[in-house]
Amino acid sequence: ETGVTQSPTHLIKTRGQQVTLRCSSQSGHNTVSWYQQALGQGPQFIFQYYREEENGRGNFPPRFSGLQFPNYSSELNVNALELDDSALYLCASSARDRVGEQYFGPGTRLTVT
Amino acid sequence: TQLLEQSPQFLSIQEGENLTVYCNSSSVFSSLQWYRQEPGEGPVLLVTVVTGGEVKKLKRLTFQFGDARKDSSLHITAAQPGDTGLYLCAGVAQGGSEKLVFGKGTKLTVNP
Repeated sequence: ETGVTQSPTHLIKTRGQQVTLRCSSQSGHNTVSWYQQALGQGPQFIFQYYREEENGRGNFPPRFSGLQFPNYSSELNVNALELDDSALYLCASSARDRVGEQYFGPGTRLTVT
Repeated sequence: TQLLEQSPQFLSIQEGENLTVYCNSSSVFSSLQWYRQEPGEGPVLLVTVVTGGEVKKLKRLTFQFGDARKDSSLHITAAQPGDTGLYLCAGVAQGGSEKLVFGKGTKLTVNP
């Protein structure tokens, strides 16, 4: 069984740039969720994808967008990066009927300068 | 807005001591999860509790879900240095929400 993988591991971007983060879900899972975790905080829900459509969104602006592909992998795109976007971005996969039981990847550490 | 408040925020104890971490909310959750996160890694699921009053044990860890499904506790017996980490509670709000809400976590350090 393959776990959740994310790429890249670390990324440094400049304010105003755009970034794309990638995630491969655990085999057998059809739902992918993305979270932002600032230093010293718990993960904050960004959005969730199921059957290639957004299925729930947290309190994040439209410049945070995503995609899910037919193989259930996913991308998180952030436009017009701001300094406050610096955080650990976590991807998690789950079965559709067990959304509370999520399996997380190791995260992508994004630094915006 | 469903909020989960965890206490204490930080806890530093000696090996062999017992401890309890709390997770409280004013909202009802259809299920509540506990995760453990180590530096540089994603959270790892420890347990899911679903029924009010439910108690689950995982070796030296005991998890309890409140009768009203608004709160939970994690008790560790005879803590070991390997228990060091960030303990996060998370819940799925009642009503079919797809959103998993996390608390801010309790950072536990167990000193040898």
